[in-house]
Amino acid sequence: GAGVSQSPSNKVTEKGKDVELRCDPISGHTALYWYRQSLGQGLEFLIYFQGNSAPDKSGLPSDRFSAERTGGSVSTLTIQRTQQEDSAVYLCASSLAGGQGSGYTFGSGTRLTVV
Amino acid sequence: GESVGLHLPTLSVQEGDNSIINCAYSNSASDYFIWYKQESGKGPQFIIDIRSNMDKRQGQRVTVLLNKTVKHLSLQIAATQPGDSAVYFCAETTGRRALTFGSGTRLQVQP
Repeated sequence: GAGVSQSPSNKVTEKGKDVELRCDPISGHTALYWYRQSLGQGLEFLIYFQGNSAPDKSGLPSDRFSAERTGGSVSTLTIQRTQQEDSAVYLCASSLAGGQGSGYTFGSGTRLTVV
Repeated sequence: GESVGLHLPTLSVQEGDNSIINCAYSNSASDYFIWYKQESGKGPQFIIDIRSNMDKRQGQRVTVLLNKTVKHLSLQIAATQPGDSAVYFCAETTGRRALTFGSGTRLQVQP
C-alpha cells in the first residue's frame, strides 16, 4: 500500500483480556518495527523484524507481549492479560533493509486503553 | 542505560521567527540521528537526518546541527509557520537499526 496501515485505530479493553494489534507495512519493506508511546512521552522500542532473521525482541517489557510477522509482511502484536499500564499508542514502522535514511515510515498507531 | 533527552518540553514562537529545538544524547557510539515531527493523532514523520561524519545538514527551511564533542543535536526551523506546530523528536541509532527516541518538544507557533 501507499503507507503503513495499522488496525484498529482505537481499542478499549478490559483489564485481563488479550488484544491483537495489526500492522500492514509498505509493500517491499523488509524491516518492521513496533514502538509504544505513552502519553506525552517518546517512543519506546518493542520489537524489530528484518527479513527472515530472528526478531530482536529486546524491547518487549514482559512475557505478556509477543509479536509475529507472517510471510514477511503483516505483523501482529499480541498483549495477553492486559494491565492498565499497557495503555498507550502502539506504533508500527517499516523500512527497506538497513533502515537508515528516510526509510522509517510510521503508521498512525493504535490507541489502546485498558479499563 | 543510554538515553536521548531534550532540554525543553515546550517551545512557543511567533509566526515568522526561527525556532531552535535542542536534543542531548548520551551514547557516544551513536552514528546516525533523525528528527521527526509528530502531529496530533498521527505517527512520526521524517524531517531530516544526519550522520556522525557530518556536523551540519540543510533541508527545506530546516537545518540540523550535530556537535559530537558535547553530544548535542539541534533542529533549526526557519520562518516558522502555524503548520510547524507539532511535537518534535530526535532519535538516534548505533547501527542496531532500532531507533532510540527522546521524549519530545512541543512547538507552539503563535500567529
